[in-house]
Parts: sequence; structure tokens; C-alpha cells
Amino acid sequence: DQQVKQNSPSLSVQEGRISILNCDYTNSMFDYFLWYKKYPAEGPTFLISISSIKDKNEDGRFTVFLNKSAKHLSLHIVPSQPGDSAVYFCAASELGRDDKIIFGKGTRLHILP
Amino acid sequence: DAMVIQNPRYQVTQFGKPVTLSCSQTLNHNVMYWYQQKSSQAPKLLFHYYDKDFNNEADTPDNFQSRRPNTSFCFLDIRSPGLGDAAMYLCATSRDRGGETPLHFGNGTRLTVT
Repeated sequence: DQQVKQNSPSLSVQEGRISILNCDYTNSMFDYFLWYKKYPAEGPTFLISISSIKDKNEDGRFTVFLNKSAKHLSLHIVPSQPGDSAVYFCAASELGRDDKIIFGKGTRLHILP
Repeated sequence: DAMVIQNPRYQVTQFGKPVTLSCSQTLNHNVMYWYQQKSSQAPKLLFHYYDKDFNNEADTPDNFQSRRPNTSFCFLDIRSPGLGDAAMYLCATSRDRGGETPLHFGNGTRLTVT
């Protein structure tokens, strides 16, 4: 049973526009969320994270929004650039329990010229 | 540059023939993880070491073992690979245990079982 769900396998966005990647989770005990970015033939790299005590965290062009009541988070990339084409993994953990990080299946983002 | 290095990048083994994948790190991190990722699936944690303390996931098959002889190296041993074990195997490290500590991944080893 998937605890972290990324229901869109792929997403295409025009360069310069906003990319919005969505993630849903089922475990209400999750209290820390992370996004990883993966290029082909490379391992995932950490992008941005958010604690459940916040509803927004921003780092340059990347912003993560958390809606705890809906068990939903989203990653916004503004403006989208060609180098943003990659697979994005949403991940979640329950701090202080087993500290295990649970990943979603990923969303492949294509930035169109 | 401090890194997580996995060797080999591609590994082909025969059904039932033991295989070992290796991971090394120059980050001096305490925790090392092994993830299995099958095509279009989420990376799945197999086990992790916190220093020398081995932590196995409950649903990791007995066929999978791991060794961490020192801080820098960690090995994944598959004793009798089956066709279903074909996957990308990702090694990751973190400075400390804790869900808020970002993972640093290697580039993975793609295992093919013939």
C-alpha cells in the first residue's frame, strides 16, 4: 500500500511557465517532507524540504506548499527552465519513530522550449 | 568532491549466481542505506547501517544481505538472484539518522539477471 502517491507519471510545461508537481500521502503521522530531483543515469539529489509545522518553504525558484488537512503537498518551480527536466520524487518521514524516508514513484517533468 | 560512489554501474548476473554490489563514500557520514528501485516504482528501502548497527526492513527478503566493514564502504550481497531482483540499486548516505536529514545518493547499479 503506497503511503506517498504521485499520481502524475509525467508533466510537460513550457519554458518560463510555472511547473506544479503534486504529492499526496496517507499516513497522518508523517511530519517531514522532502523533494528529490533525478537526472537520467544519476542518483536522486535533495532539492527542498518542509516540516509539518510550516505550510510553505521557499528556496529560489522552488517553493513547497503543505496542506496537512488534505494530506497534500506540491512543488512549484517558477520560472521553469530546461535544466529542470528531470524526475521529481516526493518523500515523507515520521520523525523520531523509525526515521524511514518513504518515496513516491516520481513524476517526470519535461520543460518544452 | 565528497561523493557516494557505486560500482559497478551495470552488473549482469545469472539466475542463482551470487552477486555483490559495492558503495563507498567520502562524506564520512554515519548512516548508509541500500534502496531497490524497479522500473517506474518508488525507491524501496532494503536496510541501513547506523555506524555498525544494522537495521533490516521487515519485508526485505533473506536473499539480500549487507556488510559494512568500515565507515567508508558498504556492500549489498544477493545470495541467489532471481529474475525479480533485476532493478536499480541505489546506495545513499546521511550525516545522521533522522527523516529530516537529506540523503546523498550514488548513481546506482543497474542489475540484470539472465
